[in-house]
Amino acid sequence: TQLLEQSPQFLSIQEGENLTVYCNSSSVFSSLQWYRQEPGEGPVLLVTVVTGGEVKKLKRLTFQFGDARKDSSLHITAAQPGDTGLYLCAGALPTSGTYKYIFGTGTRLKVLA
Amino acid sequence: DAGVTQSPTHLIKTRGQQVTLRCSPKSGHDTVSWYQQALGQGPQFIFQYYEEEERQRGNFPDRFSGHQFPNYSSELNVNALLLGDSALYLCASSLAVLGYTFGSGTRLTVV
Repeated sequence: TQLLEQSPQFLSIQEGENLTVYCNSSSVFSSLQWYRQEPGEGPVLLVTVVTGGEVKKLKRLTFQFGDARKDSSLHITAAQPGDTGLYLCAGALPTSGTYKYIFGTGTRLKVLA
Repeated sequence: DAGVTQSPTHLIKTRGQQVTLRCSPKSGHDTVSWYQQALGQGPQFIFQYYEEEERQRGNFPDRFSGHQFPNYSSELNVNALLLGDSALYLCASSLAVLGYTFGSGTRLTVV
């Protein structure tokens, strides 16, 4: 069974604080994505990382793919209330000519003004 | 470039009825996956279609079925609706390892 564990499950912080969300698995992924979802909407893709050790930055968000391509982290600097939402990681595994995506359990972030 | 389009956006059905949800993938994407998301939870994988065939299936009963057409669009059918089928149904399209593009979802309410 392929599992992708995310931690923490819930996070409530003050505006301006930093935070890190972790995504861990025993499976090796072909790529890993991070999504952000707001209530009633579909998840929106933030980033895709493909190479082990890869680091990508998106404004105040920094994404890192583990060297062994089994884990990833999302770091937010100086969090803002607009960062509030459900953050999901997903890993791609090859199967039947295409790829299936395994989702993490999600991290619900609330940033207080 | 249009993203993933889902229809309808909202739907109310009665227990025992059948429903069909539709999805047009992002241009250039060849794989369509369907997810069910209950309020406050992460998306649960229903099934995935590639080359008009169901390639992967999650832990959902046979009441949930689907189809992919030659133009890569897809349908999700649910028969004999139960109250517990009320959820946001998400369609996601993809190409290789580049990740999903999700639609905005169809909110299904079963009464």
